[in-house]
Amino acid sequence: KAGVTQTPRYLIKTRGQQVTLSCSPISGHRSVSWYQQTPGQGLQFLFEYFSETQRNKGNFPGRFSGRQFSNSRSEMNVSTLELGDSALYLCASSLRGRDEKLFFGSGTQLSVL
Amino acid sequence: DQQVKQNSPSLSVQEGRISILNCDYTNSMFDYFLWYKKYPAEGPTFLISISSIKDKNEDGRFTVFLNKSAKHLSLHIVPSQPGDSAVYFCAAPSGGYNKLIFGAGTRLAVHP
Repeated sequence: KAGVTQTPRYLIKTRGQQVTLSCSPISGHRSVSWYQQTPGQGLQFLFEYFSETQRNKGNFPGRFSGRQFSNSRSEMNVSTLELGDSALYLCASSLRGRDEKLFFGSGTQLSVL
Repeated sequence: DQQVKQNSPSLSVQEGRISILNCDYTNSMFDYFLWYKKYPAEGPTFLISISSIKDKNEDGRFTVFLNKSAKHLSLHIVPSQPGDSAVYFCAAPSGGYNKLIFGAGTRLAVHP
């Protein structure tokens, strides 16, 4: 069974640009969640999607948005990039999205210059 | 406000010895905890979990202990192996729907 796939692996952008990251969950998993990892900060929850609906959202500004498609694939978008957005963005999938372990992708390393 | 804290950023242990990674939490409503392991350039992988109705859970070389009164949990790895060298995160579900609160992580180095 293929794992969670995230593309691209690395991305370099400049301040003010926008970026879109992609995530394909494990086949059969309908819940996709996104996390941001910065050095020394652990992982911070961004949002979770299930059947194309956002069910949960973390404390991030509106510049961070996401969506999920009917095949459970998900994208997240960051507009008007700031230097502080440089981070590893991780996508995780699970069957239902509640009280179960998450399966993470390898992440997209975003650098904002 | 950090609800899940891992106060030791790093730990160095000799191969064959015990590794003990600690985690403290502040929210008494947390009733389920997970440990994840992360290698460089890879996503975190689930290691072991524990429900608040238990005080211990074992899986091979890995044991997690939960002390609810102290709001403290620890992960024991016995015996430690060089392949265990990674960053370990403890986490707790909060607010439903795969919202996990993670600690900042502890980097474990197991040397021969």
